[in-house]
Amino acid sequence: GDSVTQMEGPVTLSEEAFLTINCTYTATGYPSLFWYVQYPGEGLQLLLKATKADDKGSNKGFEATYRKETTSFHLEKGSVQVSDSAVYFCALSDRLTGNQFYFGTGTSLTVIP
Amino acid sequence: GAVVSQHPSWVICKSGTSVKIECRSLDFQATTMFWYRQFPKQSLMLMATSNEGSKATYEQGVEKDKFLINHASLTLSTLTVTSAHPEDSSFYICSAPPPGRGARNEQFFGPGTRLTVL
Repeated sequence: GDSVTQMEGPVTLSEEAFLTINCTYTATGYPSLFWYVQYPGEGLQLLLKATKADDKGSNKGFEATYRKETTSFHLEKGSVQVSDSAVYFCALSDRLTGNQFYFGTGTSLTVIP
Repeated sequence: GAVVSQHPSWVICKSGTSVKIECRSLDFQATTMFWYRQFPKQSLMLMATSNEGSKATYEQGVEKDKFLINHASLTLSTLTVTSAHPEDSSFYICSAPPPGRGARNEQFFGPGTRLTVL
């Protein structure tokens, strides 16, 4: 079945450091891939998405490229800020499974000044 | 963009009582909605798929009689936690895909409802 494997945290970085959060997936069909962010006490917000192989999603300085050959969708940011502290979830949606979402376990990021 | 709301945003109840959580799609119709449960510092676990006009589909291990789902209209799904116990305390989140956009559409998530059972 479909699944998402995400790098475990927590991750602690200094401000302006480079961020990578690894995500790999297993899917029956051709899924869409997403990164969601959850700030403390809040719901999930879509950060970025990619709908087909080689697509790059980007938003707020974050990027992720849909790599079909490695079944990966790693999240990167060149220079993190304190305000980026949150939990990040990798997810996929697969038409063959009725568009339901499969989430990774989440990676907690703390950025220190 | 499409908005999904949940009500209440948080609720505290006594053990043995029932709690109803509403999920509404505010500017679109949703024939399908999804209910998730999130434990502290853990991922979202799909509980059930709510289908307008038919019975909900529950994931393995989720008690149908305990978590009652009713998709009353194209814009409203409710989750009722019956005879709640402290172990039911969790963050419940619903989502809905806008219709007609296939697998490439994103899910729109509600802000979540935090349930605390004393």
